[in-house]
Amino acid sequence: LAKTTQPISMDSYEGQEVNITCSHNNIATNDYITWYQQFPSQGPRFIIQGYKTKVTNEVASLFIPADRKSSTLSLPRVSLSDTAVYYCLVGPMNTGFQKLVFGTGTRLLVSP
Amino acid sequence: SQTIHQWPATLVQPVGSPLSLECTVEGTSNPNLYWYRQAAGRGLQLLFYSVGIGQISSEVPQNLSASRPQDRQFILSSKKLLLSDSGFYLCAWGGASGSVTDTQYFGPGTRLTVL
Repeated sequence: LAKTTQPISMDSYEGQEVNITCSHNNIATNDYITWYQQFPSQGPRFIIQGYKTKVTNEVASLFIPADRKSSTLSLPRVSLSDTAVYYCLVGPMNTGFQKLVFGTGTRLLVSP
Repeated sequence: SQTIHQWPATLVQPVGSPLSLECTVEGTSNPNLYWYRQAAGRGLQLLFYSVGIGQISSEVPQNLSASRPQDRQFILSSKKLLLSDSGFYLCAWGGASGSVTDTQYFGPGTRLTVL
C-alpha cells in the first residue's frame, strides 16, 4: 500500500472549517483514498472515500487534485465532538480483500 | 444491518496467563475478518486476517494466535501473555457482499492490560 504522510496534530475552534492534508506521492493508478475517524477507546470509523476530484457526503468533503499525490479532508464547521484522530489510507479496491495500513494519523483538537 | 461484537470490553491479566478474545459479526456472510492492536498513542497494527473459515494469515511474528472456527467468529489467543501484549485490540470485518469498496468496520475493542 502507498505510504501516506499527515500532520501529527491540528488545533481548531468550534464553527471553523478544518482541512487535513495527506501526502501520498507514490499512489498507484488503481488506488483509492480513504479516511477514517477514531474517537478515544473506540475503533476507527469510515468517513469518506474517493478516487479523483471531489467527493462529498453528510460528514465531510474530500478534495483530490489531478495528480492524486495528495488529498485534503475538509470538515465544515467543526464541533467539540469532532475531536478525534483522522487517518488517511491509500490502497486498491475491488479486490475482495485488503490489508489496511494505519499510520499514526492526525490528532484534531477542537476547542470552544 | 451488520453489527460486530467484541468481548470482553476490558481485561486485566497477569504475565504468563492465557488469553482469549472473541469477535463475532452479524448480518453478513463470508466476511473478511481482521485483528488489530493499538498501543497507547500509536496507530493500528494489523495482527491477523482471515478470508474464510480456518484460513488465518499472520502479519507479524508474535506471542499471539488467531482462529476462525465459524464463518462469523474470530478468536485471538495467547498461551502466555507478555507485558508487551498490553494494548487496545480491535476486530474488524470487510468485504461486504455487493460492496464496491472494501471498507472495514470495526468493533468496540478490548482494552488489555498485562501486569
